[in-house]
Amino acid sequence: EAGVAQSPRYKIIEKRQSVAFWCNPISGHATLYWYQQILGQGPKLLIQFQNNGVVDDSQLPKDRFSAERLKGVDSTLKIQPAKLEDSAVYLCASSLGKGNKNQPQHFGDGTRLSIL
Amino acid sequence: GQNIDQPTEMTATEGAIVQINCTYQTSGFNGLFWYQQHAGEAPTFLSYNVLDGLEEKGRFSSFLSRSKGYSYLLLKELQMKDSASYLCAVIRSNYQLIWGAGTKLIIKP
Repeated sequence: EAGVAQSPRYKIIEKRQSVAFWCNPISGHATLYWYQQILGQGPKLLIQFQNNGVVDDSQLPKDRFSAERLKGVDSTLKIQPAKLEDSAVYLCASSLGKGNKNQPQHFGDGTRLSIL
Repeated sequence: GQNIDQPTEMTATEGAIVQINCTYQTSGFNGLFWYQQHAGEAPTFLSYNVLDGLEEKGRFSSFLSRSKGYSYLLLKELQMKDSASYLCAVIRSNYQLIWGAGTKLIIKP
């Protein structure tokens, strides 16, 4: 089966610019996650979708970050405007979701974002 | 609050055995995952435990004690390719994963 697809793989922007990331989860996976991972740390959940609804966005900096999953499949994560501290790897993951707690999350390759 | 603790770094010798510990304090516990993450790559799933005891998968085994809030990942017959970070994560009843910071494992010849 095809894995989680993310693009772009790398992105370099200047602070105060905008950037968007795209994720296509594994087919049939109801739950989609966006994580931020800073070097040497574990992933930090930004937002969790169940189909096209938001389950948890408590750690999403809503003044600058936004995410959507309009049709319950693909998702985009946007940062506007970017700050230096946003330099990190942005990981998208998906899982089967409801009724399947023992099913692992599958990760995409991530987008490595550098803010100059 | 939710908290997961793992050692920051461990070193082991090729061919040896290493145990990576993870302690957690979370509400709504519904299982514990171990993931492997090579530098510059995404995490990949290793194991899942929801009941107490040992789960064995080839060279890797994972143990869980829910009463103690404790898990470990045991790696046998270490190979150089096992050099990676190992992340412990607890899944809660709302499907949220609480992640540890990871243990960087360095394998020496």
